[in-house]
This record gives sequence, structure tokens and C-alpha cells, in this order.
Amino acid sequence: EAGVTQFPSHSVIEKGQTVTLRCDPISGHDNLYWYRRVMGKEIKFLLHFVKESKQDESGMPNNRFLAERTGGTYSTLKVQPAELEDSGVYFCASSQEDLMGLSSYNEQFFGPGTRLTVL
Amino acid sequence: QKEVEQNSGPLSVPEGAIASLNCTYSDRGSQSFFWYRQYSGKSPELIMSIYSNGDKEDGRFTAQLNKASQYVSLLIRDSQPSDSATYLCASTGGGGSYIPTFGRGTSLIVHP
Repeated sequence: EAGVTQFPSHSVIEKGQTVTLRCDPISGHDNLYWYRRVMGKEIKFLLHFVKESKQDESGMPNNRFLAERTGGTYSTLKVQPAELEDSGVYFCASSQEDLMGLSSYNEQFFGPGTRLTVL
Repeated sequence: QKEVEQNSGPLSVPEGAIASLNCTYSDRGSQSFFWYRQYSGKSPELIMSIYSNGDKEDGRFTAQLNKASQYVSLLIRDSQPSDSATYLCASTGGGGSYIPTFGRGTSLIVHP
């Protein structure tokens, strides 16, 4: 079974440019999450999709970030325009449908991350 | 604000020793606790989860939870150089949230 994949693995852009990150979850996983880790800090939640719907986007830092999951399969996270403080590693994770209504217990499988550097 | 605290390390132990990794959390309502292992440049990988007070053992790993003290630990017995990685502690369930709150991680180095 293929794991969570992310593309690109690295991206270096200049301030003001646009970058789009892609995440392909494990096949059949309805839940998809985006996280970000800024250097020296902890991994922080950005948002959560259930299929194509945004379940929780409370962690999105501002309106320069736009996440989509058309068709409920892969997801994209666009940063436009990018700022210096957006640099970090962006992780995607996926988990199965919450059949038992115990979302706290669903194991999330992480992708390798995209390292974004804004110059 | 919910916080999970870990000593960043590095924690250095000799091969074959027990490595003890510790974590405290601020949200008393947290219900589920997880330990992830992350090798450099790789994805975090879940290695242990624990939901009730006490110990939970899985192979060489033992997770310990003390909700009264808001303390979680991970013991790695017979440490191997391949265990060298960053170990992330995370909690969920506070206020009904299923979104994990992560610590910054502890770097473990197991030297031969």
C-alpha cells in the first residue's frame, strides 16, 4: 500500500511569488490534514478535510493560504503571495473514515513533507 | 493555549541501554497520547498510542501515562543505533478536539 505522498519535496521561491503544494493521501482515506513546522517550533495544525469538505480550518494563518481538495482525492495548498515567515516544512497526513465516531483515535499517516523556503 | 513540552535533547545513550523520553501537557482534558518517531528528512511515524493511565508495552517500547501529573513517557529498551531519531509527543481530545497538539520533539542518539 502506497503511503502519503507530497510534491514537491523542496521549493525555494522569492517573497511575493506563489507556490502550490500537493498531497496525495493513502487511497480510501477520507480524512486529510495539513500541518506546518516552522524551524525550531512544533508541528502545528493548519486544516482538515473530510472528503472534499473543509471540516476545520482554524489553523490557517491568514487568507494568503488556500487549500482545496476537489473530488475528495488529492489536496493542494496554495500560498499567494508568499512571505518570509511562510518558510517551513509542510506536512500532509491522512486517516481512515471515523467509523466509530472516535476521531481522537484515528491514526494519522504522515507524508514526508515539503520544505518551503521563501527568500 | 494547549501546550506539549519536551526536552529537545539530544539525549545520548549507549547501545543496549534504556532510553527514557519524557513529555508533559498542559490541557487536563487531553484524552489520547501518541509518540511519533521521525528520522531526519522523513515523515513522522506513529510508534505508540496510549489512552489510559498506566503502562502500555509493545516490543521494546513502553509508553507510560499519568493523567494526574499530566505526564507521558516513552521507554525504549535495548536501544539500537537505528533508534536514533527525533521523538515527537502529541496529545488529542482536549475539549473534544481530535487534532493533535505536538511537542517540539526530543532528539535521541544511540551510540555503539
